[in-house]
Amino acid sequence: QKEVEQDPGPLSVPEGAIVSLNCTYSNSAFQYFMWYRQYSRKGPELLMYTYSSGNKEDGRFTAQVDKSSKYISLFIRDSQPSDSATYLCAMRSNAGGTSYGKLTFGQGTILTVHP
Amino acid sequence: SAVISQKPSRDICQRGTSLTIQCQVDSQVTMMFWYRQQPGQSLTLIATANQGSEATYESGFVIDKFPISRPNLTFSTLTVSNMSPEDSSIYLCSANGGAETQYFGPGTRLLVL
Repeated sequence: QKEVEQDPGPLSVPEGAIVSLNCTYSNSAFQYFMWYRQYSRKGPELLMYTYSSGNKEDGRFTAQVDKSSKYISLFIRDSQPSDSATYLCAMRSNAGGTSYGKLTFGQGTILTVHP
Repeated sequence: SAVISQKPSRDICQRGTSLTIQCQVDSQVTMMFWYRQQPGQSLTLIATANQGSEATYESGFVIDKFPISRPNLTFSTLTVSNMSPEDSSIYLCSANGGAETQYFGPGTRLLVL
């Protein structure tokens, strides 16, 4: 079993739709959660970062973390064609030593928002 | 946030040769990381590069194949040695941004023939 599971999609929605992207994880040591957006032929771009259970909002994006269920989500409101990309969840623990800072990524979800 | 650049952006290499990828950060950072992303796949950590110490490699990656240098707090290199077609991939450099996040470079697209 992978430490982080993410539905690879692909996901296709009409412009203006609400998009829900999800990841589950098995390692209870994960404490910090990130969402990255990766456009084709580009490096991942950090979208959201959170470390506590609950919701964090930034414009059209909301990151949700439920540590008790080991489940995180990214919601995109009023989706735009420019949101079409691969979305990657990533997480890390508090571990020190050689594991410090190490991110574990989900498989990525390919999102297409069509006009 | 840190701005990260990589050179080269892409390359086509012959099997058996080596390629060195450079990563430059616009500010001093304590930790730099090298990832591999195979087509349509997620990111796999190759190694962590800390200034002034040996790189720490993940399971399945060895120093002889992927030697790493970290001469200062803004620069690192990854060499892909004795390449085979299986090494064709995107190689990404990242750096810690503050205590908890990482920022990524644009990647180096490598094709080995």
